[in-house]
Amino acid sequence: EAQVTQNPRYLITVTGKKLTVTCSQNMNHEYMSWYRQDPGLGLRQIYYSMNVEVTDKGDVPEGYKVSRKEKRNFPLILESPSPNQTSLYFCASSSGTAGEKLLFGSGTQLSVL
Amino acid sequence: GENVEQHPSTLSVQEGDSAVIKCTYSDSASNYFPWYKQELGKGPQLIIDIRSNVGEKKDQRIAVTLNKTAKHFSLHITETQPEDSAVYFCAASTGRNNRLAFGKGNQVVVIP
Repeated sequence: EAQVTQNPRYLITVTGKKLTVTCSQNMNHEYMSWYRQDPGLGLRQIYYSMNVEVTDKGDVPEGYKVSRKEKRNFPLILESPSPNQTSLYFCASSSGTAGEKLLFGSGTQLSVL
Repeated sequence: GENVEQHPSTLSVQEGDSAVIKCTYSDSASNYFPWYKQELGKGPQLIIDIRSNVGEKKDQRIAVTLNKTAKHFSLHITETQPEDSAVYFCAASTGRNNRLAFGKGNQVVVIP
């Protein structure tokens, strides 16, 4: 079954404690992306990757890092989380060019205290 | 950059009636317009998309229409059912690498 898998599903942490949210896809997609969803603000892109070792900033990249060492994985790293990064995070992948026909993961609810 | 706006923010319809959600976009160069449905506790799911060289596309009870001159596109759901209750997001491709800019979402409630 084609899917994008994120872990963990829920995460509560404290300010400044580094964390990583993992994302994996099993469809050999070249394009992967991270979004955050906040009430009243919709989906905003954090980072995206067009292929292995190719990453670029989205609309709200501050405070986040990503890496794309292999095609299937695209982890999101928060080196020093802050309360304003409390949000619902989604990973997505696509076989098309950039944002076409995105397949989203189930989401990671992050709370930074 | 691209600015995508959705109206209305919340829409309530009686079961069996039609629902229409409209999105406007700002970048005339945008050429791809998808609609996503997000059910409670789940990730967004693509339900229909349209390219700028097509004016209308239909898939069973769902249709999307595009007016490039006015820079708006609409989602039409006919014969609504309770399972159509969800948040719907529109988006438009824009700029470098055709990234998607999403609207803020519409809450659709189908009243049985």
